[in-house]
Amino acid sequence: KAGVTQTPRYLIKTRGQQVTLSCSPISGHRSVSWYQQTPGQGLQFLFEYFSETQRNKGNFPGRFSGRQFSNSRSEMNVSTLELGDSALYLCASSLQGARDTQYFGPGTRLTVL
Amino acid sequence: AQRVTQPEKLLSVFKGAPVELKCNYSYSGSPELFWYVQYSRQRLQLLLRHISRESIKGFTADLNKGETSFHLKKPFAQEEDSAMYYCALTGSGTYKYIFGTGTRLKVLA
Repeated sequence: KAGVTQTPRYLIKTRGQQVTLSCSPISGHRSVSWYQQTPGQGLQFLFEYFSETQRNKGNFPGRFSGRQFSNSRSEMNVSTLELGDSALYLCASSLQGARDTQYFGPGTRLTVL
Repeated sequence: AQRVTQPEKLLSVFKGAPVELKCNYSYSGSPELFWYVQYSRQRLQLLLRHISRESIKGFTADLNKGETSFHLKKPFAQEEDSAMYYCALTGSGTYKYIFGTGTRLKVLA
């Protein structure tokens, strides 16, 4: 099976812009989770989607949003970018959710200038 | 509050020495604990989970609910064990993982 894919792999934006990141899960996986990874904070949970429904959300401002499509592909959007949003954004998919093995994508490296 | 603490950012051991990566957690319900590993230039991947009670690549971890710990152990470290290790926690109905900040293990020749 093909692994989790994320596009784009690298992104450079300026403050105030918005960005959309995409994640394609492993075929048959219905749960997609997003994480922000930074050197100081490690991996922080953003949100989890299952069958197009957000089931949980982390402690991030409303500028961070996401959605999931009927084919389980997911997107996350960050509006009004800030310098502190620079990070590696990881997506993980699983069959049903957190209690199943999470399969991670390679990440999207976002740099905000 | 739900929290995972990995007190060591870096752990260096010599090849053949025992390894113990510490993980402590705080969770009010019934937790499920995992260890994930990221080797150089590879994706984050599951190493083991406490409910499986299995040994993967010689690593084991026992959930100690009394001490709220889930330490990762290996009796004899190998150079290929050098990687970043993350302890993670989830619980029934939470639909999310809480990760620790990770411990970088360096196995020296």
